[in-house]
Amino acid sequence: ETGVTQSPTHLIKTRGQQVTLRCSSQSGHNTVSWYQQALGQGPQFIFQYYREEENGRGNFPPRFSGLQFPNYSSELNVNALELDDSALYLCASSFDRGTGELFFGEGSRLTVL
Amino acid sequence: GIQVEQSPPDLILQEGANSTLRCNFSDSVNNLQWFHQNPWGQLINLFYIPSGTKQNGRLSATTVATERYSLLYISSSQTTDSGVYFCAVDPNAGKSTFGDGTTLTVKP
Repeated sequence: ETGVTQSPTHLIKTRGQQVTLRCSSQSGHNTVSWYQQALGQGPQFIFQYYREEENGRGNFPPRFSGLQFPNYSSELNVNALELDDSALYLCASSFDRGTGELFFGEGSRLTVL
Repeated sequence: GIQVEQSPPDLILQEGANSTLRCNFSDSVNNLQWFHQNPWGQLINLFYIPSGTKQNGRLSATTVATERYSLLYISSSQTTDSGVYFCAVDPNAGKSTFGDGTTLTVKP
C-alpha cells in the first residue's frame, strides 16, 4: 500500500508567477483535500475533491484552483503568486468525504520572493 | 464555522514526565484526529477518535463528544516526542478544521 506522495518538495517562485503542485492519493482513497500551513499556524483548508468534482472550499480566492484525475491524483494551481502564498502546502487523502480519516503527504514548501 | 482551541500552546517537559494536551471544539463533530507534525512538516496520524478512548503504546486519547473536548495523554515522554501536536475536527462538512497546535519540547 503506497502512501500519499507530493511533488515537488521545495520550490521557489517570484511574485506574479504561477505554480502547480501535485499529489498522489493513497491507494483505495477517492477523496483529496488540500491545506495551506503558514509558519507557526495550523493548516487551513483550501478545498476538497471527491470523484473529480470540487466538494467544498475554504476561504481562499479563485486564483487557487484544483483538479482531480480519474486515478484520484490531484493538482493544486495558484496563479498570480503573492508573497503571503509562501507556505507549506499539504495534501491529504481519505476513503470518503466528511467522515474519512485523513492521511497526509510530506508537503510542498513554496517560497515566493 | 467550527472553532478549535488547543491548550497549552507550549509545553516543556523533562524526559520521563507525563503530559496532557487538550482540544476544545465549538460544535458537534463526526471526525476528530490527533496528529504529530515532524520537523520536516509531515503530519503523522496518532489517533482517529470521534468518541471514546484509544491507546497506542505510551500514547492514549479520549474524546468526550457530548462535552466537545478531546485529550491526548503522553506518558514517559521521550525526546523524540518533541514537535507540534495538532487536533483536527470535521463536523461532516468534508472540511477539517485544525487548532493552532501545542508545541512540546522534551528535554533530556
